[in-house]
Amino acid sequence: QKEVEQDPGPLSVPEGAIVSLNCTYSNSAFQYFMWYRQYSRKGPELLMYTYSSGNKEDGRFTAQVDKSSKYISLFIRDSQPSDSATYLCAMSVGNTGNQFYFGTGTSLTVIP
Amino acid sequence: DSGVTQTPKHLITATGQRVTLRCSPRSGDLSVYWYQQSLDQGLQFLIQYYNGEERAKGNILERFSAQQFPDLHSELNLSSLELGDSALYFCASSVAPGTREQFFGPGTRLTVL
Repeated sequence: QKEVEQDPGPLSVPEGAIVSLNCTYSNSAFQYFMWYRQYSRKGPELLMYTYSSGNKEDGRFTAQVDKSSKYISLFIRDSQPSDSATYLCAMSVGNTGNQFYFGTGTSLTVIP
Repeated sequence: DSGVTQTPKHLITATGQRVTLRCSPRSGDLSVYWYQQSLDQGLQFLIQYYNGEERAKGNILERFSAQQFPDLHSELNLSSLELGDSALYFCASSVAPGTREQFFGPGTRLTVL
C-alpha cells in the first residue's frame, strides 16, 4: 500500500465550478500537509500547507485536513482556465522529518 | 520562475551508460532535494543535502549518487542506466531542512533507450 493515495483523474469541469481534490494516507504520523500545482512541462509549485487538522483558506483555495479519517482535500472556488494543471498532495512527519511523500497527482482541466 | 536551475533540460542515452544532472538552488537556499517523477510512481524523494552534507535519504538506488558542492550546487549521478530509469528528475531547494516550502526547478527529462 502506498503511503499517499490520490485519484489521478482526469477531472474536467466548466469555468466557475467548485473543484474538490482529495488524498488519503496511511501514516498517522504525518503532521504537515501540502498541496502543489504543476503545470505541463514545469516543476511543482507550493499552493498551500497546513499543520495537523483543520482548514486553511487562501483566496479561492481552501485546504482541509481530517486526521481522524486520514483524508485531506483542496477546494478551488470559481475555477478558472488558468487553474488547469496537475495537483499533487504531499505530506511529511514533522520539522525534522524532511522527507515529503507525494501523491501521484490529479489532472484538472477547467473548460472556458 | 522559481530561481532553481537545472541542466540539461533533456537527456537521451543508452542502457548501461552514466549521466550527471546538475542543479543550482535559489540564492540563499542551503538545502537541496532530488526527486524522480514517473507516470506510475508519481514524485519520489531520492535524497537531500544541507550545506554540503547528506541530510536524508529516500528511495534512491545504489546505482545513483549525489553530492552538494561548496558553492551549494548539486549533482545527481545515475550509472548503469536501465530503461526504467527514464523519468523526470527534479531538484528543489529550501532555506533550511525544516522549511515547509520547497522551490522546484524545471526538471531534467531523462530518456534511456
